[in-house]
Amino acid sequence: SQQGEEDPQALSIQEGENATMNCSYKTSINNLQWYRQNSGRGLVHLILIRSNEREKHSGRLRVTLDTSKKSSSLLITASRAADTASYFCATDAYNTDKLIFGTGTRLQVFP
Amino acid sequence: DGGITQSPKYLFRKEGQNVTLSCEQNLNHDAMYWYRQDPGQGLRLIYYSQIVNDFQKGDIAEGYSVSREKKESFPLTVTSAQKNPTAFYLCASRWGGGSEQFFGPGTRLTVL
Repeated sequence: SQQGEEDPQALSIQEGENATMNCSYKTSINNLQWYRQNSGRGLVHLILIRSNEREKHSGRLRVTLDTSKKSSSLLITASRAADTASYFCATDAYNTDKLIFGTGTRLQVFP
Repeated sequence: DGGITQSPKYLFRKEGQNVTLSCEQNLNHDAMYWYRQDPGQGLRLIYYSQIVNDFQKGDIAEGYSVSREKKESFPLTVTSAQKNPTAFYLCASRWGGGSEQFFGPGTRLTVL
C-alpha cells in the first residue's frame, strides 16, 4: 500500500525559480527521505530528515517535516534545467525495514 | 567502482514464459529490495531480503519469486503467473545500519 501522496503531480517552472513539492503520509515514521529519478533511470537519494527534525538543508535543497500534520516539503531553490526529473518522498514505517514511496512529482525546468 | 547493477537493461518476454532479472551489488550491503514501477506511478515493493537465505514478501509478491543465496546477488523471477508483468523493475540495496537505499539502473520488461 502506498503511504505517501505528493502534490503537485507535475510542476513546470523557468530556470532560476524555486520549486516546492509536498508529501503527505499516514502513519508514524522514523524518518522521511527524498529521492530523484531521471527519466528511465534508477532513483538517487537526495536527503533524509529524521522524525525529531523540523528542517534540513543540503545545497539548494531545503526539506521540512511536520509530524503533527504528517507532511513534508522539498524546496529546490534557483532551479536549473538539469533539475528536471521526478521527485519521490519515502517513509520508513515505524519498526519495519521497508520504505513506502509516494506517487512522485514530475518537475520540468525550462531554460 | 562500488555500486549496484541490473541486467539486462531491456527484456522482452512472450506470454507464458518465466524470466529472471539480475541484481548484483558490491557495496557489502545486507538488505536488498525489488520494486516495480508502472508509468507515472511510484514504486511498489515486490520482495525484500535483510540477510542471506531469507526474504519477505512485499505488497505485490504474487507472480514473482526471488532467491538470496549470496549476499551480493538477489535475482527476481517473473513467472507466467504474473498477469501484467510489463513494467520497469528496480533493485535497491541498503547498509544494515542505515536507511538510505541505493538503486540500480533498472530493467524494462515488456511482454509481447
